Amino acid sequence: AQTVTQSQPEMSVQEAETVTLSCTYDTSESDYYLFWYKQPPSRQMILVIRQEAYKQQNATENRFSVNFQKAAKSFSLKISDSQLGDAAMYFCAYRRSLTQGGSEKLVFGKGTKLTVNP
Amino acid sequence: GAVVSQHPSRVICKSGTSVKIECRSLDFQATTMFWYRQFPKQSLMLMATSNEGSKATYEQGVEKDKFLINHASLTLSTLTVTSAHPEDSSFYICSAGVTGTYEQYFGPGTRLTVT
Repeated sequence: AQTVTQSQPEMSVQEAETVTLSCTYDTSESDYYLFWYKQPPSRQMILVIRQEAYKQQNATENRFSVNFQKAAKSFSLKISDSQLGDAAMYFCAYRRSLTQGGSEKLVFGKGTKLTVNP
Repeated sequence: GAVVSQHPSRVICKSGTSVKIECRSLDFQATTMFWYRQFPKQSLMLMATSNEGSKATYEQGVEKDKFLINHASLTLSTLTVTSAHPEDSSFYICSAGVTGTYEQYFGPGTRLTVT
């Protein structure tokens, strides 16, 4: 079974600074998707960024970027120019590739609580 | 983007009663819906996966007779917590997706309190 590990229960960053959240995963599959979701105090899950495992290029969405190391099974999230609105729980998630069939469920890590200090 | 709604947003019920939570995809047809449970300061725990028109697939350890899931249409799935107990108090989140695509769209969640 696939597992996702987030080793940092809490992180803090100064406004306008950069922070990196760690995520590692375990799978025997070669093709899959990885995601970072944000859950603010409202509890609404928001997709931040996704990465297809077959793509070597790291995904980027404005101030959010990932460092995807497939061999190391590592998928870290970098937030640049941190803003107060970035404060939230961040969850790393894994799902199997659509081509491999089976369940489309997401496997979540335990989350990292990010605090942004003004 | 696609919108998923949940109703009610919060509900309080007495122990022993049943409560139904609705999950609707408002602007797309969801072939698959997922139900999660989230305890305070914890991650999302998948309870079951439901495909339109078929029986839900429950995760190990989830009581299918207690958490009844119905996915009767492409826009609606319901979770019924039967004979609720205080330990069923939690935050329930649904998500919806279309078979063949990677995206899952999350509802805003329902806070259930059983007294």
